[in-house]
Order: sequence, then C-alpha cells, then structure tokens
Amino acid sequence: ETGVTQTPRHLVMGMTNKKSLKCEQHLGHNAMYWYKQSAKKPLELMFVYNFKEQTENNSVPSRFSPECPNSSHLFLHLHTLQPEDSALYLCASSQEWGRAQYFGPGTRLLVL
Amino acid sequence: RKEVEQDPGPFNVPEGATVAFNCTYSNSASQSFFWYRQDCRKEPKLLMSVYSSGNEDGRFTAQLNRASQYISLLIRDSKLSDSATYLCVVNVGGSQGNLIFGKGTKLSVKP
Repeated sequence: ETGVTQTPRHLVMGMTNKKSLKCEQHLGHNAMYWYKQSAKKPLELMFVYNFKEQTENNSVPSRFSPECPNSSHLFLHLHTLQPEDSALYLCASSQEWGRAQYFGPGTRLLVL
Repeated sequence: RKEVEQDPGPFNVPEGATVAFNCTYSNSASQSFFWYRQDCRKEPKLLMSVYSSGNEDGRFTAQLNRASQYISLLIRDSKLSDSATYLCVVNVGGSQGNLIFGKGTKLSVKP
C-alpha cells in the first residue's frame, strides 16, 4: 500500500469509550501531523511529530493523546470525548517539518 | 488580518471557462506556499507548490506576489471534475514551521 493510510475510516463512540486512531505513512517521511476538520471550518492542527519527537501541541485537550512509536506510525488515543469532538480527523506526513504535506483519507468520528 | 484569507465563493462557472482565485497572507516572512484541492468529504490533496517565479502545470497556473502578499491560482478550460474546494496554504515559519490552511474557495463547474 502506498501513501498515507488511516484506520478506521469511520468511528462512532460514546462519551465514556476509549478508542484509538491509527495512521501509517509509506513515503519515508520524517514529520507526521494530526488535524481536525469540523464542518465549515478550516483545518485545525492538533499535533506535530518531527523525527518521532512531538514538536507541537496546539492547546489540544488532554482527552486526545498522540503517540508516535516510529517515523512511519502515528496514533491518536481518544477517551471521554465530547459530542463537539465529532469531526474528520486527518493524518498527514511530509518529508520535513514545514514542507508539502500528504494526507490520509481521514477518520470520520461521531461522538454520541 | 487573518493569517491566510480566501474568498469562500462559491464560484459557479461553465465548462471551458477560465477562473482565478486569490489568497492573501499576513506574515511577510512566509517562505513556502501551496494550493490544495479538497473534494466533498475527502482529504486535501496537493495540487501544486508555488514558486517565486510562478509555475504552471497543465491547465493550472500559480503565481506569487510577495510585495502584495498574495498567491493566485488560475484554472483554464475548466472541467466538471475541477469542482472542489481549493485551499491556499502558507508556511509561516520558513523551513521549519507549520502550514496554515485557508478556509478554501469553493468552485462549481457546470455543464
């Protein structure tokens, strides 16, 4: 498989559930990102990992917890989410931090 | 002034038309610029990077005006498949920095 993949593609969870989103990039890139995209809003950067080190946390609530075990994989752990967290969660990667980014297909999350 | 600003549209044009989008950015130190397209309920896809001398890829031409701090995208001979939202993206931190995405301009090409 090529490019950036994300699983699951769709997720419905209750506010008390714990779930994880997975992202994998097959491009040999060194930087990976999590974004949130809500309806009619621009992309919101959540986290940045550069060479597996977290370099950015854009005031994201602690109910979102990222993990980057290696330069090809990125996880977003979710727990006790709120209905307003329902959105499209996009993973992206780039050769270096600040270069053009390539996106995965996203996980469409619905929190009930 | 917003960091990256675009006219949200929609731009409704007939097939074969030429359409242009502008995008303004606020940080004069910005170094890298991109155009992405995003189809409904899909991920953004890189359309082209914008170089200081301007660049062309088939029917698409991107230009950068540093003095006025704007980037433009010109689409010639519009196709139905060009219908999408076009995102202007700016790197405000030079070689190491985050990309700032505009809200996008919606284009609808009609038969």
